[in-house]
Amino acid sequence: AQSVTQLDSQVPVFEEAPVELRCNYSSSVSVYLFWYVQYPNQGLQLLLKYLSGSTLVKGINGFEAEFNKSQTSFHLRKPSVHISDTAEYFCAVSERGGSEKLVFGKGTKLTVNP
Amino acid sequence: EAQVTQNPRYLITVTGKKLTVTCSQNMNHEYMSWYRQDPGLGLRQIYYSMNVEVTDKGDVPEGYKVSRKEKRNFPLILESPSPNQTSLYFCASRPRTASYNEQFFGPGTRLTVL
Repeated sequence: AQSVTQLDSQVPVFEEAPVELRCNYSSSVSVYLFWYVQYPNQGLQLLLKYLSGSTLVKGINGFEAEFNKSQTSFHLRKPSVHISDTAEYFCAVSERGGSEKLVFGKGTKLTVNP
Repeated sequence: EAQVTQNPRYLITVTGKKLTVTCSQNMNHEYMSWYRQDPGLGLRQIYYSMNVEVTDKGDVPEGYKVSRKEKRNFPLILESPSPNQTSLYFCASRPRTASYNEQFFGPGTRLTVL
């Protein structure tokens, strides 16, 4: 069975600073990887996904993530954050050719301060 | 507009009083799921459905029931709610033809059981 570990539960940063939100996964088979964002009092929105091919994946709002198979990681990065990026971010994994299950990490709360 | 809708958005109830949270999608998706989100635990799958009349348990099914009589609707039923079911609930859907498990989420239902 697959699992996801988000290493930081909270990440405070200043506006215009770079940020990295860390995600590691565990699975015995190949996986698809996702980052979802949840803005305050809203549902989940897909930020980006890794399916295959290039290991650097670009998403919405200037975010990108890099799939590292040897380190089983899928860290999310943004070179310069805005106040509006304040939200909770969830990493999720799904096994290729597997069941319906989409397994989420526990979330990282990003707070961007002025 | 393609969307997943949930009703009600907010609900306060008392222990033991049966309730139903409705979920409806207008994208003709085969797969639908219910998740609960709790602080520090991320999202955990309650039940999922791969098509009409086909449902299966997720990771935390105890205390919940579902039904899938129509493709667009996937209600979540709490026969006898208890305070430990106080949570934020999300419904999600995706098409069967998708080769990966990207799911579309509803806006959430915040349930409080007193």
